Amino acid sequence: SQQGEEDPQALSIQEGENATMNCSYKTSINNLQWYRQNSGRGLVHLILIRSNEREKHSGRLRVTLDTSKKSSSLLITASRAADTASYFCATRRTGANNLFFGTGTRLTVIP
Amino acid sequence: SQTIHQWPATLVQPVGSPLSLECTVEGTSNPNLYWYRQAAGRGLQLLFYSVGIGQISSEVPQNLSASRPQDRQFILSSKKLLLSDSGFYLCAWGGSLNTGELFFGEGSRLTVL
Repeated sequence: SQQGEEDPQALSIQEGENATMNCSYKTSINNLQWYRQNSGRGLVHLILIRSNEREKHSGRLRVTLDTSKKSSSLLITASRAADTASYFCATRRTGANNLFFGTGTRLTVIP
Repeated sequence: SQTIHQWPATLVQPVGSPLSLECTVEGTSNPNLYWYRQAAGRGLQLLFYSVGIGQISSEVPQNLSASRPQDRQFILSSKKLLLSDSGFYLCAWGGSLNTGELFFGEGSRLTVL
């Protein structure tokens, strides 16, 4: 499979704690993106990191990319109950026309 | 601003019946359009994408087909549904084929009985 793989599959934390999700992929990429999906809804784009970037921030989100290890991590700081959702990484392979999605991490933030 | 509409939101169909899911985009022209399927608790599988009217690329062989009769309209169809066609179907649009993010509709949940 050329999709990314998220780890862990499920994560449960207390409100206020940080949540870290990891993504590994197999091919060279143009960029890597993280999306969020509330149960039964469409996906919402969170952040995009290009292959020549190593770290990116957006509000409480911090994304890192290590192209030598073909891996990325998404850190959500000071989590809130409203952060409860599934989080997917998606890779834009070099020369490809579309995004390949991983299987997702289900995050539960307990109030 | 751009919006994407997808319908119907929920559909229950018997095996062997036809299917038509529709997706339209507003506020942009010549978007790249995508159909994904998501099985329960799984990631997204790309089914079709289109870079223009009448231009459809299929990622996986399957019982489904797609059409793009107008610039901002993308239709997913089947002549005879199978049980395995059940799932959550998501339409998305993106502006840049090689680099940009995708914007998703709210999805259509199909149950084939």
